[in-house]
Amino acid sequence: DTAVSQTPKYLVTQMGNDKSIKCEQNLGHDTMYWYKQDSKKFLKIMFSYNNKELIINETVPNRFSPKSPDKAHLNLHINSLELGDSAVYFCASSRKGSYEQYFGPGTRLTVT
Amino acid sequence: AQTVTQSQPEMSVQEAETVTLSCTYDTSESDYYLFWYKQPPSRQMILVIRQEAYKQQNATENRFSVNFQKAAKSFSLKISDSQLGDAAMYFCAFLPMYSGGGADGLTFGKGTHLIIQP
Repeated sequence: DTAVSQTPKYLVTQMGNDKSIKCEQNLGHDTMYWYKQDSKKFLKIMFSYNNKELIINETVPNRFSPKSPDKAHLNLHINSLELGDSAVYFCASSRKGSYEQYFGPGTRLTVT
Repeated sequence: AQTVTQSQPEMSVQEAETVTLSCTYDTSESDYYLFWYKQPPSRQMILVIRQEAYKQQNATENRFSVNFQKAAKSFSLKISDSQLGDAAMYFCAFLPMYSGGGADGLTFGKGTHLIIQP
């Protein structure tokens, strides 16, 4: 069983489009995260959600919006895509009070 | 805010030899976790080892061990008996330890690309 899954694994789209990346975890965790890994492999936290409440919102453009329909899902919506949004996006989850974050397989987004 | 620095963009080691990856960090927190993550070409993030800042004993996991120097804010990873499967990007990461914890994102270093020579 896959613990944290992301769809799609690869996404190629044009500038200006709007796209979503889905994340689901079947671990019963109550906190989920989105990280961005840029072309130089640098990983940075974008958002975290705890019980449907946004806990961290780093200085990301407001074109990015996390949406959590329930505790098992945290989707990432991106509006008006730009070339600089090309990256690998990782979803992760953890149990409240636990140090360990479980990562999904990543979604490689390419904006042309 | 905390920062994590990995000063070695790339390291190379002969198979079966030992290699040490360096990591330093800066924080005003007194309680925190430190981690080493491995990212092979499959890009999956794999937790290699963790260290709680309040523990003086260095963590070990089979061939992987750390040298944690809290005063110096240093957290190096030693890989013994290197194997071809160890080839990957290695990331050092920091996580504050709050009583309510777990809602914070990891702060990563820029990574070290480890090459294993047969």
